[in-house]
Amino acid sequence: LAKTTQPISMDSYEGQEVNITCSHNNIATNDYITWYQQFPSQGPRFIIQGYKTKVTNEVASLFIPADRKSSTLSLPRVSLSDTAVYYCLVGDISYNFNKFYFGSGTKLNVKP
Amino acid sequence: NAGVTQTPKFRVLKTGQSMTLLCAQDMNHEYMYWYRQDPGMGLRLIHYSVGEGTTAKGEVPDGYNVSRLNKREFSLRLESAAPSQTSVYFCASLTGGEGAYGYTFGSGTRLTVV
Repeated sequence: LAKTTQPISMDSYEGQEVNITCSHNNIATNDYITWYQQFPSQGPRFIIQGYKTKVTNEVASLFIPADRKSSTLSLPRVSLSDTAVYYCLVGDISYNFNKFYFGSGTKLNVKP
Repeated sequence: NAGVTQTPKFRVLKTGQSMTLLCAQDMNHEYMYWYRQDPGMGLRLIHYSVGEGTTAKGEVPDGYNVSRLNKREFSLRLESAAPSQTSVYFCASLTGGEGAYGYTFGSGTRLTVV
């Protein structure tokens, strides 16, 4: 299972773009990269998933370079409500269904 | 609404008491999980199930028992609660294919053992 490394915390201001990078140097060929968001007292919720290049949805963008050894979650124009913990998961459901590791994530603090 | 439902949402137990946390999903997912989350920490896997009638230990299984009653329901039982089991418990289901995957989490059960 690919080990992931992400910053423990980040600060931002309302209206700014926030980029959170996750390193996963030993990512396997069939692994997908997924980001989850967790608000206090709630379960994590899916934000975005990708395999390569760029993925965009209504909430965020995910940038994955050609070597796939890292990925960057981009949140455009954050608001106070984006204050949360963000987790990067890397794996393949076929092999990692019992090993996905949420870790401590990145705690994003958005200030007014 | 489709999703994962956990009951109860809050509970206070005395040391030595027992209780069962219930989880149900209506998305027809095979995989189900129980996690615990302590303050400021990530999620730690307690037990999981890959299908009806199957269960397996996760990272921190001691003190907990689970039952996969059917495809929808996955319960977590504390036989003799201890203060160290004070935590927020999350149930989740997982689906996917060809490498891709996606978790759906319940809203959690906040358990305090005094």
